[in-house]
Amino acid sequence: GNSVTQMEGPVTLSEEAFLTINCTYTATGYPSLFWYVQYPGEGLQLLLKATKADDKGSNKGFEATYRKETTSFHLEKGSVQVSDSAVYFCALSEGNALNFGKGTSLLVTP
Amino acid sequence: AAGVIQSPRHLIKEKRETATLKCYPIPRHDTVYWYQQGPGQDPQFLISFYEKMQSDKGSIPDRFSAQQFSDYHSELNMSSLELGDSALYFCASTKTGGLETQYFGPGTRLLVL
Repeated sequence: GNSVTQMEGPVTLSEEAFLTINCTYTATGYPSLFWYVQYPGEGLQLLLKATKADDKGSNKGFEATYRKETTSFHLEKGSVQVSDSAVYFCALSEGNALNFGKGTSLLVTP
Repeated sequence: AAGVIQSPRHLIKEKRETATLKCYPIPRHDTVYWYQQGPGQDPQFLISFYEKMQSDKGSIPDRFSAQQFSDYHSELNMSSLELGDSALYFCASTKTGGLETQYFGPGTRLLVL
């Protein structure tokens, strides 16, 4: 079946550092891909999405490109802030549901 | 903008008790999804409803049941609670029967003692 694999965390970065969180997927067909963010003690918030190959999703300085050739959807941000500290989940649509990766915890220090 | 509402936000139950979680989707959204997120885990899909009919089923235990009502709100009923049911339960909603962005509620944190 479909699955999502994320790089394991925690990832610790200094403020203004460059961020990459790797996400690869296996899927039959062409699912939509998502990044969700979960701040401490809160629910899941959609960060960005891409619905077809070569689409780039972007939001709040984060971006990810749907790469069919490498089955990847890596999350990047050029300059992270302390407020970006959270858990990031890569997900793909599978029928009517979302299939999530295990999540990557990000801690940004001043 | 209105968001998905879940109630209660926190719930403490004893083993073998029952619990009912409620979800109110975003207005004009007709599809709801339930997910369970154990401590330190990724969310796992339980079940979904479209236009009051079950549309998909995931890893929902037989002890759990759910339904969607005519006003599109949904309830997750959990019986014979076990310690392992302690988790964060999310509801999400979309506007169509699927393939649209799912918007998540804040979750209900269930603790079974």
